[in-house]
Amino acid sequence: DTGVSQDPRHKITKRGQNVTFRCDPISEHNRLYWYRQTLGQGPEFLTYFQNEAQLEKSRLLSDRFSAERPKGSFSTLEIQRTEQGDSAMYLCASSLRQTNTEAFFGQGTRLTVV
Amino acid sequence: AQSVTQLDSHVSVSEGTPVLLRCNYSSSYSPSLFWYVQHPNKGLQLLLKYTSAATLVKGINGFEAEFKKSETSFHLTKPSAHMSDAAEYFCVVSSGNDMRFGAGTRLTVKP
Repeated sequence: DTGVSQDPRHKITKRGQNVTFRCDPISEHNRLYWYRQTLGQGPEFLTYFQNEAQLEKSRLLSDRFSAERPKGSFSTLEIQRTEQGDSAMYLCASSLRQTNTEAFFGQGTRLTVV
Repeated sequence: AQSVTQLDSHVSVSEGTPVLLRCNYSSSYSPSLFWYVQHPNKGLQLLLKYTSAATLVKGINGFEAEFKKSETSFHLTKPSAHMSDAAEYFCVVSSGNDMRFGAGTRLTVKP
């Protein structure tokens, strides 16, 4: 399968714990996005990488959130001191560098904070 | 700044009748526009995209969308709904680095 891969698919954690999600983009794609989607809402932009550089971060991304993309390949999204409000589907997408090309999405990681 | 407004949160049609899902956008630049579909427990799938070529865009599964700059609209249509079209549909605007999603329209298809 050469699509966008996210791991884990589901994560249940206790409030206050740290969690880390991984995204493996399509291999030749140098753009990588993270989105958050809550029930009944459209995906909300969190952050964007071009290769290893994090070029944009949403104000939704509080200090408890950090994302990395070492070597411009896979990416990780870490949430520290999770809160119940962090419960959501976290989506990763990748695309080619050309302007305005479409993004391909992974299946997402569903986070439940109890 | 760019944004998307999907004018209907829920649309219900009967099988075999036309589908119209409405989308208005706002962008400071010449945008690219996309429609994505999300079936329950499935990932987002691209239906079609507009990137400043023909204003009438054909996508998969018989869907079409027309870009109207004067109306800042990018409505999604299909002549005849099928039961398998029941899903959540998202209109997306992009003009550079990021992609902004609308809130989504849930399409219900009645037999």
